[in-house]
Amino acid sequence: NAGVTQTPKFQVLKTGQSMTLQCAQDMNHNSMYWYRQDPGMGLRLIYYSASEGTTDKGEVPNGYNVSRLNKREFSLRLESAAPSQTSVYFCASSSAGAYYEQYFGPGTRLTVT
Amino acid sequence: QQQVKQSPQSLIVQKGGISIINCAYENTAFDYFPWYQQFPGKGPALLIAIRPDVSEKKEGRFTISFNKSAKQFSLHIMDSQPGDSATYFCAASRRSNDYKLSFGAGTTVTVRA
Repeated sequence: NAGVTQTPKFQVLKTGQSMTLQCAQDMNHNSMYWYRQDPGMGLRLIYYSASEGTTDKGEVPNGYNVSRLNKREFSLRLESAAPSQTSVYFCASSSAGAYYEQYFGPGTRLTVT
Repeated sequence: QQQVKQSPQSLIVQKGGISIINCAYENTAFDYFPWYQQFPGKGPALLIAIRPDVSEKKEGRFTISFNKSAKQFSLHIMDSQPGDSATYFCAASRRSNDYKLSFGAGTTVTVRA
């Protein structure tokens, strides 16, 4: 059981480049999430998917798009990266029971120059 | 603005001492308050959680104290150990929002041997 996996671990982009962060979970969870973590700001929700085929904006969605490819996979795309998107990105998943306890992946450290 | 305010930003404690982290919230609709622990280079992991119908919950050396009238809750780490050195996040969520988490800014705890 790998839990939640994310690729890549590290990425450096130039301003204006695009990239997709990949996330997969093997816990048969319905809900999946993308967060960004910045110093002094905690974790902020970017997008959320309650089930396959549905996505909703979180607190900071601007500049991002998501795709819930199937029940296991939830990707985050930056179409035109900006220095303000330099951050650590975490994917998480949860089931509907037990207060939707969230399980987090190891994160992707993204730097935009 | 952050829905959950957390303090202090960082603290240093001697081995065997007590670490105390405080959080405050405004939204009285919150009905679930988890704490997450994050080690460097890793994703956050659920440490302990409480519902507002109890005033205290203890799991090993970790205790949550909850004051519903003051809209405050705190994490106490008793007999702090070097292995407890990590960043701790408080969070709040509510059933009406599918328990999506609002995180505090985080507290970095350093336990000196």
